[in-house]
Amino acid sequence: HVQLQESGPGLVKPSETLSLICTVSGDSITSYYWSWLRQPPGERPEWIGYIHHSGSTNYNPSLRGRVSMSIDPSKNQFSLKLTSVTPADTALYYCARRKASPDYWGQGTLVTVSS
Amino acid sequence: DIQMTQSPSSLSTSIGDRVTITCQASQDIRSYLSWYQHKPGEAPKVLIYDASTLETGVTSRFSGSGFGTDFTFTISSLQPEDIATYYCQQYDNLPPTFGGGTKVEI
Repeated sequence: HVQLQESGPGLVKPSETLSLICTVSGDSITSYYWSWLRQPPGERPEWIGYIHHSGSTNYNPSLRGRVSMSIDPSKNQFSLKLTSVTPADTALYYCARRKASPDYWGQGTLVTVSS
Repeated sequence: DIQMTQSPSSLSTSIGDRVTITCQASQDIRSYLSWYQHKPGEAPKVLIYDASTLETGVTSRFSGSGFGTDFTFTISSLQPEDIATYYCQQYDNLPPTFGGGTKVEI
């Protein structure tokens, strides 16, 4: 049974960097592409981007320049970094399996950007 | 980006009712559309992919149809466990984009 779990700080100050990790169990991280998505309060979900264990990435142009992803097959984890955050980056952040039509998602972690 | 317009944004219904949600894409997405169910505090769950294919293990109460720009999601007979918010999502073009959601209430 595939499970994904997001972890990281729930509060980030404006202009700082948001960092999250997704730990995958029940599947090898070398088997698929892996994605990050987010959902601001009261808004629709937004796709952030994906990463492959080869290192290949693709990011949403709306966030390009601020987002980066990495992957650690030895730990079966992948991570998200979002720089120069503002209150508009406050959202539930999800990690998911597959690059464009995710089938398994984590439960999400709320990240609030506030001083 | 492809815009996804979903309606209604909410609906109040009764157990046993047939529920229909529509999703319209701003351009042709062929059949590259998924439907998700989301309950608060839980991981979103994919119900339908490729517009009409039921995900393994998902009840046949749920069905999807459509091609091109117009799509429909149906719950044949609403059950209490179906109370949730439902989203459509296109994956024909990057970035994948979502509809605004439909909150199904009793």
